[in-house]
Amino acid sequence: GAVVSQHPSWVICKSGTSVKIECRSLDFQATTMFWYRQFPKQSLMLMATSNEGSKATYEQGVEKDKFLINHASLTLSTLTVTSAHPEDSSFYICSSFDRARPFTEAFFGQGTRLTVV
Amino acid sequence: KQEVTQIPAALSVPEGENLVLNCSFTDSAIYNLQWFRQDPGKGLTSLLLIQSSQREQTSGRLNASLDKSSGRSTLYIAASQPGDSATYLCAVTGNTDKLIFGTGTRLQVFP
Repeated sequence: GAVVSQHPSWVICKSGTSVKIECRSLDFQATTMFWYRQFPKQSLMLMATSNEGSKATYEQGVEKDKFLINHASLTLSTLTVTSAHPEDSSFYICSSFDRARPFTEAFFGQGTRLTVV
Repeated sequence: KQEVTQIPAALSVPEGENLVLNCSFTDSAIYNLQWFRQDPGKGLTSLLLIQSSQREQTSGRLNASLDKSSGRSTLYIAASQPGDSATYLCAVTGNTDKLIFGTGTRLQVFP
């Protein structure tokens, strides 16, 4: 099946610094990438939807200036958490689907555990 | 706005039991429903995908059913094993390809 590779799998950073998370589709073209956040013992909440070559669409309550999303190619989307604070500590995970087969199985990255100290 | 709820929130059972996990959604206009497994601190593993036109899907000891009109899906796990211990998430897809996740069921199967 299709593979989405997400890096890093975990990161610890100091408060005030920025962290970039990458998601790459390895064997299909990811026209659209979805970014989710998961707090401990909670479900996944959609943060934003990015489309290749255009601006991301953010869900209500998600600060677009804090969570910068870039989707410059059909195989790479990045999420940058800017000026991170401890409350940004969470599990971030990306998802996409094979554009050749829309509305079928969604493929997820391995997730990134972000800890801001 | 689509809302997805899962019942029970947590379940602890002895090995060998047959289990039923429930998922309900408020907007029946879905394209498909997916069941996932998530181990602690890990990503998601897709278990079963049911298209809106389908009634059920089976994979090994897992069987998922879908009643789109009533906004419900169930995941049936036969002969549960300790290795089945994880959080199970259902998610629905609407016309935007976005997955809306349920609240999850934390399952523990003890020997």
